[in-house]
Amino acid sequence: NAGVTQTPKFRVLKTGQSMTLLCAQDMNHEYMYWYRQDPGMGLRLIHYSVGEGTTAKGEVPDGYNVSRLKKQNFLLGLESAAPSQTSVYFCASERDRGPRTEAFFGQGTRLTVV
Amino acid sequence: DQQVKQNSPSLSVQEGRISILNCDYTNSMFDYFLWYKKYPAEGPTFLISISSIKDKNEDGRFTVFLNKSAKHLSLHIVPSQPGDSAVYFCAASARGSGGGADGLTFGKGTHLIIQP
Repeated sequence: NAGVTQTPKFRVLKTGQSMTLLCAQDMNHEYMYWYRQDPGMGLRLIHYSVGEGTTAKGEVPDGYNVSRLKKQNFLLGLESAAPSQTSVYFCASERDRGPRTEAFFGQGTRLTVV
Repeated sequence: DQQVKQNSPSLSVQEGRISILNCDYTNSMFDYFLWYKKYPAEGPTFLISISSIKDKNEDGRFTVFLNKSAKHLSLHIVPSQPGDSAVYFCAASARGSGGGADGLTFGKGTHLIIQP
């Protein structure tokens, strides 16, 4: 079982460049999330999706866009990267909107913007 | 304003002893709480959870206690083992109470170090 897979694992960007982070899950989960983790901080929610074709803003959405064209994939885009977006990004998926269940996380993408 | 607080950045415990990790929250709409464990260069993995209608949940060596009146929960690990050395995150959800977005609100984490 692959679970939640993030691509790429590491990336260095120059300020102003764009990139897309890919998250893929093979558990047929409805909910998917993007979080960022900064040093000494907990994970903070960027955007999330409650199903194919839907997206919603989380706690820190500015500077990011997302798309969920297929149920198994959730893409996070940075149109014009800034040094403040240097962080570790985690994708997560969760079964559905029933009683709360645990979210499954990917291994993370370490992004550095110089 | 931090809604989930883990006030101990690190905790050192001797192997075989009990580890107690604490978490406080401020949002009374939280109705479900989870603990995640994280090793370096890996994603968080689910450990144990508790609904707000309960005050205790146990799973093997791990027990979570919830004190709603004090808005406090704790994770007990007995006995502590070297493989338990990791960062532990407390997380909370307000989804069931309709009080928040669908994501989890995380604390900053506690680095647990198990000494041989």
